[in-house]
Amino acid sequence: SQQGEEDPQALSIQEGENATMNCSYKTSINNLQWYRQNSGRGLVHLILIRSNEREKHSGRLRVTLDTSKKSSSLLITASRAADTASYFCATDASNTGKLIFGQGTTLQVKP
Amino acid sequence: EAGVAQSPRYKIIEKRQSVAFWCNPISGHATLYWYQQILGQGPKLLIQFQNNGVVDDSQLPKDRFSAERLKGVDSTLKIQPAKLEDSAVYLCASSLDLTPEQFFGPGTRLTVL
Repeated sequence: SQQGEEDPQALSIQEGENATMNCSYKTSINNLQWYRQNSGRGLVHLILIRSNEREKHSGRLRVTLDTSKKSSSLLITASRAADTASYFCATDASNTGKLIFGQGTTLQVKP
Repeated sequence: EAGVAQSPRYKIIEKRQSVAFWCNPISGHATLYWYQQILGQGPKLLIQFQNNGVVDDSQLPKDRFSAERLKGVDSTLKIQPAKLEDSAVYLCASSLDLTPEQFFGPGTRLTVL
């Protein structure tokens, strides 16, 4: 079964706007990761946040984690057409590498 | 650095036939994963290897799926016999030992008719 629930399922924005995706999970975690998947391709790791961290940045990406609410958000600022992809959160409960993925958010950035 | 290689990229078979997928992880990566991704869903872990030993295969349907990782490098995933519901993309990923970040291959898209 999938641990993560992502919201929204689909998001369509204009280039230059910000995109926010949310992920909720059910059990305690060691870390939470975000991955991107372009159509017909494999997944690419974007960013990892550990359970004792609240916020991390990487370029135009900002991730927050609220362990009390069991939720995380991914913010992509100043979006580009190339950001069009599906975005998945994945949780690792035991730091063994066993990831449980959410259903994903499909992002479309219109030029 | 070469990425994770998978073959074939596409496979179409009829139900009850068998199929095998191959994965070559990034050089030096001790941990290898096989995932099943059904259309519209996130990947689901099938099996995790550490070198050539199985770490987790709790979600592998062992009556029809098998996987091996001989010599701790390449891996094959086999389905025998295939069912319609096995239609999915099969993703292979690898990581350095048990470090969190996983590197994914392009996947094999399986269609079972």
